[in-house]
Amino acid sequence: DSGVTQTPKHLITATGQRVTLRCSPRSGDLSVYWYQQSLDQGLQFLIQYYNGEERAKGNILERFSAQQFPDLHSELNLSSLELGDSALYFCASSVSALLDNEQFFGPGTRLTVL
Amino acid sequence: AQTVTQSQPEMSVQEAETVTLSCTYDTSESDYYLFWYKQPPSRQMILVIRQEAYKQQNATENRFSVNFQKAAKSFSLKISDSQLGDAAMYFCAYVQYGNKLVFGAGTILRVKS
Repeated sequence: DSGVTQTPKHLITATGQRVTLRCSPRSGDLSVYWYQQSLDQGLQFLIQYYNGEERAKGNILERFSAQQFPDLHSELNLSSLELGDSALYFCASSVSALLDNEQFFGPGTRLTVL
Repeated sequence: AQTVTQSQPEMSVQEAETVTLSCTYDTSESDYYLFWYKQPPSRQMILVIRQEAYKQQNATENRFSVNFQKAAKSFSLKISDSQLGDAAMYFCAYVQYGNKLVFGAGTILRVKS
């Protein structure tokens, strides 16, 4: 158990819908990262937040957005869902934004878009 | 562009034997870190070992060790005395300034009893 929690574990929804994935980082960790793992794209970095502020952006679609709240939990919002958005979404956290900080991964949320 | 290449989609090893998984990466930075992550069927991402680019000494964690060749941009993982529990997908990853992990496509490791 990494100490990072993600809810829900599984999510099944229809095309065009909107969903919210939630992540609680390890106690004391200020940085949160979101990654997407899909069959065709592999594991890709989406976005990073540090202490409530966006720190880095990767291959995140405009239909996707995220935020980190004052209590440091983070939410990833996915809207106008398409079949290709079906994937495993990981949240990871680290103590700070320093390069040598280990990122601890949560168990992931499996999203299925029908 | 930062890229990580794992040229072996799948590998097999006999229990108690040794196996080496290959990884190459591309970067122009001098300060970065390299990792091997294990993803078992549970899908949990588990850090196996990490290597700081500024360290010449290869990292070791129990049965897991790396062969880090900085000039060649090569970072292979050696698993000694393979166990059934080592069966998983293994990802090589790289991080530099900006902290985003860049992953390879992964290598499926099968362990035969």
